[in-house]
This record gives sequence, C-alpha cells and structure tokens, in this order.
Amino acid sequence: GQNIDQPTEMTATEGAIVQINCTYQTSGFNGLFWYQQHAGEAPTFLSYNVLDGLEEKGRFSSFLSRSKGYSYLLLKELQMKDSASYLCAVIDSNYQLIWGAGTKLIIKP
Amino acid sequence: GAGVSQSPRYKVAKRGQDVALRCDPISGHVSLFWYQQALGQGPEFLTYFQNEAQLDKSGLPSDRFFAERPEGSVSTLKIQRTQQEDSAVYLCASSLQQGQETQYFGPGTRLLVL
Repeated sequence: GQNIDQPTEMTATEGAIVQINCTYQTSGFNGLFWYQQHAGEAPTFLSYNVLDGLEEKGRFSSFLSRSKGYSYLLLKELQMKDSASYLCAVIDSNYQLIWGAGTKLIIKP
Repeated sequence: GAGVSQSPRYKVAKRGQDVALRCDPISGHVSLFWYQQALGQGPEFLTYFQNEAQLDKSGLPSDRFFAERPEGSVSTLKIQRTQQEDSAVYLCASSLQQGQETQYFGPGTRLLVL
C-alpha cells in the first residue's frame, strides 16, 4: 500500500526554527509537494522537490532524499502566522497525488 | 478568475437529500481534481479530469457520487441520497497540465449532512 507519515502535531516558539519530517512509501515517485493549510482554508503551495537536496525559498526550505523516502520542511524565524497544518504529498507512478494527514504546527509567543 | 472558486462555501443537507457542488478552475487549466477532506486529515482523492474527460474516478466512495465537466472548464460534483458520513470539506484543485504540475486549490465546500 501507499503510505505517507508525518507527525500529528508540533509546537515551537516564535522566532525559532522548526523541522517537519515526512517519510513515504509509494508506488513510484514523481515529486513531492509541501502545502500549508490554515484552519478552514484551502491548502496553498509551498514547495516542490523532485531531485535530492535542499530547496530554499525565503524563510522556508524543503529537503528530499529519494533513496531514504524522506523529506523535511524547515521553517526559520517563526512567526505567529505560521501556525497552520503542513501537508506532505507525493506524486506516484500514476501521477496521482498521495497526501499525508498533515502536521499541525502551533507557534507560541 | 484569479483563482479556483467553489460554491456554495457551506451546505447543510438533510440525510437523503441530493447536493451539487460547483468548481470554477483557473482559466486555461487543463486538469481538475476533486478531493474530500475530513477534519484533521489530508485530502483524499476522489476524481480527476483532463479537459472534459474523466480519466480517473477510482476515489469516488460509492455510486452515489458523480462528477462531470462537460465543457472542460466548470465541474460539478453531485452526491445523491446524502449520508451523514458524507459530511466533509470537498476541495477542488486545478493545474495547468497533468502530471507534476502544481495544483491550486479552491476554498472548498463544507458539507454537513444532518
């Protein structure tokens, strides 16, 4: 079966750094997305990785290791508005997007 | 429009009632996806269109669920004889092409079946 694992919930302090991990077992791999979803809102695109390595985009970075079936999203200089759920999603061999359950990130002042 | 829009934003239905949920994708986007999202969970795939062709409907939970995109733009997800377990947020997403293209989501329709 296909499986994507993320921690259910994480807590971090404003101004700090947090790393959200994602491991996956899917039938094929054609890329990995990270999406941010605020409560009651639609997911919004954060990053896309298809090759191994780190992609940096402002305060957010995403890392991929295809051999380990592993990715992480790194958020720096945390702000209160970063409180949201972070969803990891993998494109499988059928080009279908397989979603994790999401990690709820709570930022404390 | 500038983004994906969905209507209604909220729908309360009595059990057994039929509902229709509308999605207007980003203009020019070929691919359109419907997802169901339960509280605290990630989106679950329902069905996928490329233009007017429904290429994958493997995620539709039962034959009470039906989706169409007759002219390759607006799509409607219809749920017949709604059940309480159908209560969820229904998300629509579109992408420029199929495959690895980033999917852009609408605000969702929150369906509550009483």
